[in-house]
Amino acid sequence: AQSVSQHNHHVILSEAASLELGCNYSYGGTVNLFWYVQYPGQHLQLLLKYFSGDPLVKGIKGFEAEFIKSKFSFNLRKPSVQWSDTAEYFCAVKGGFKTIFGAGTRLFVKA
Amino acid sequence: DSGVTQTPKHLITATGQRVTLRCSPRSGDLSVYWYQQSLDQGLQFLIQYYNGEERAKGNILERFSAQQFPDLHSELNLSSLELGDSALYFCASSGGLAGVSGEQYFGPGTRLTVT
Repeated sequence: AQSVSQHNHHVILSEAASLELGCNYSYGGTVNLFWYVQYPGQHLQLLLKYFSGDPLVKGIKGFEAEFIKSKFSFNLRKPSVQWSDTAEYFCAVKGGFKTIFGAGTRLFVKA
Repeated sequence: DSGVTQTPKHLITATGQRVTLRCSPRSGDLSVYWYQQSLDQGLQFLIQYYNGEERAKGNILERFSAQQFPDLHSELNLSSLELGDSALYFCASSGGLAGVSGEQYFGPGTRLTVT
């Protein structure tokens, strides 16, 4: 069965620190991979996506993610976080017709 | 603005009641998804419709039902409401059964409070 695991439920960082949020999935076939962000009081928005090609994907607001097929991972990174990055981040995996979301990681950035 | 609209924005009702949440997908999107988000359960996928037909089912209770109409808008019906049904209900849409990529566009949500 398809599943998505986000390792960290809560992350607290100071501004300018580097960020890496883990995401692992299980699915036997071809996948499309996504990271969504939900700012406080708002709906989910797409940060970045991977279909094929270059496994290093760049998204909005300086975020990037790397697809490592052998590790079934799609970790999200940002070299230097800002207070405005405080949000909940969801990894999602689409295999076939079904998209599964991870449980989310709440990031709090201290000013 | 994602182009997905949901009404109402807020809903307060009593236990045992029935409510209907409405969603209009982005223009041209055939797939509609419903999610429930609560503090203790996180984001839970409920159900997906594609062009009027149910396509995938998640953790949807039997007291809940949904449908997608010919104009592609969708309604989520919640009945015999319980306190635990208090949550944010999101609708999302995407460009097709598989879509080009499957990325979903989320609406602003309906906050349901059951008292």
